[in-house]
Amino acid sequence: DVKVTQSSRYLVKRTGEKVFLECVQDMDHENMFWYRQDPGLGLRLIYFSYDVKMKEKGDIPEGYSVSREKKERFSLILESASTNQTSMYLCASSREAYEQYFGPGTRLTVT
Amino acid sequence: EDQVTQSPEALRLQEGESSSLNCSYTVSGLRGLFWYRQDPGKGPEFLFTLYSAGEEKEKERLKATLTKKESFLHITAPKPEDSATYLCAVQDWSGANSKLTFGKGITLSVRP
Repeated sequence: DVKVTQSSRYLVKRTGEKVFLECVQDMDHENMFWYRQDPGLGLRLIYFSYDVKMKEKGDIPEGYSVSREKKERFSLILESASTNQTSMYLCASSREAYEQYFGPGTRLTVT
Repeated sequence: EDQVTQSPEALRLQEGESSSLNCSYTVSGLRGLFWYRQDPGKGPEFLFTLYSAGEEKEKERLKATLTKKESFLHITAPKPEDSATYLCAVQDWSGANSKLTFGKGITLSVRP
């Protein structure tokens, strides 16, 4: 079974803090993705990576950056957290252009 | 730009009352259509992939079908444990061919 894990289930941070969200997959997938999910807006793609050290912007990259130093690990960074980044963050991975497998999500609250 | 519209937004069924969830899509060239199930506070769980019109896939009480403009997720004799949000997503043949465009989901509640 594919397993995608995320470093925290719940996280509370203060405005202006630098926040790191970590994602690890154990299936040697080439592609990894970061989404945020908000009520009424659905899943929106922030960034994705199709290889180590490669990244591409998704639909809402502003205020975020990513890092992929190893194939199994994809990090999302909030350089200076703001209250409008309070959301559910979901990581996913896939092999080539096949179905994506999601992690359990991180509920981030920025106060 | 790919678009996915799911309807209705919410559906309440009595246990055993069969129904269908709709996913309408607009895509330049469909590579695949995906269905996911999401329980509250959890990540989406992959259900099916459909690739071409006329294709059908089944899993327990769920059957997914595909036409050139829409997909249906049929739920036969649902049980309360089928209550969840069901997400539809499409993938096209453009350069970033691993990206998915998601609909906003249909929240299904099944009463005992």
